[in-house]
Amino acid sequence: ETVLTQSPATLSLSPGDRATLSCGASQSVSGTYLAWYQQKPGLAPRLLIYDASTRATGIPDRFSGSGSGTDFTLTINRLEPEDFAVYYCQQYGNSPWTFGQGSKVEIK
Amino acid sequence: EVQVVESGGGLIEPGGSLRVSCAASGFTVSSNSMSWVRQAPGKGLEWVSIIYSDGTTYSPDSVKGRFTISRDNSRNTLYLQMNTLRADDTALYFCARIIGGYFDLWGRGTPVTVSS
Repeated sequence: ETVLTQSPATLSLSPGDRATLSCGASQSVSGTYLAWYQQKPGLAPRLLIYDASTRATGIPDRFSGSGSGTDFTLTINRLEPEDFAVYYCQQYGNSPWTFGQGSKVEIK
Repeated sequence: EVQVVESGGGLIEPGGSLRVSCAASGFTVSSNSMSWVRQAPGKGLEWVSIIYSDGTTYSPDSVKGRFTISRDNSRNTLYLQMNTLRADDTALYFCARIIGGYFDLWGRGTPVTVSS
């Protein structure tokens, strides 16, 4: 199975900062089939990015995804107060699909 | 409104069985691939069952033989039958729609606690 390792585990930033979250895969992800989700306490995850770099419907353009193979990045420009949350990556290029363990973006 | 709403979770003793449901509105369950994804307390996400639009089902080894995903087309509802439950099955169980491998629509989850 493809293990996804997210880093850092926790990122402490201020509103207006840029957040850079990494997702490393233990083997190359076929077809850049990687998604990013945001989860706030008590709520369901929300799809942000799919196919590594395509924003989901309604997602602001301050969220961007990049990467291929084994290294993927989620960048959040100009953090808004509502962006402080946990972010998960998920690959669906290799079977079985797997999630990363999550990265928390917290207010500094 | 396009949404899914889970129900049926609760407290169950180890070795017991439970069925959770996911009622969909605004789209047709049978025309989509659907999944159950769980989250243990304070932990990350783990998908536990998938049913493709053609009816094919798939589960990871951690639940294979114990969990069964199904759907009732007349009720536009997805189910997860969980048998031989263990303490490590304790989690919030989410229903999610799959588009090409990623999960584009999620419910708020139903909690399952396995404890004596």
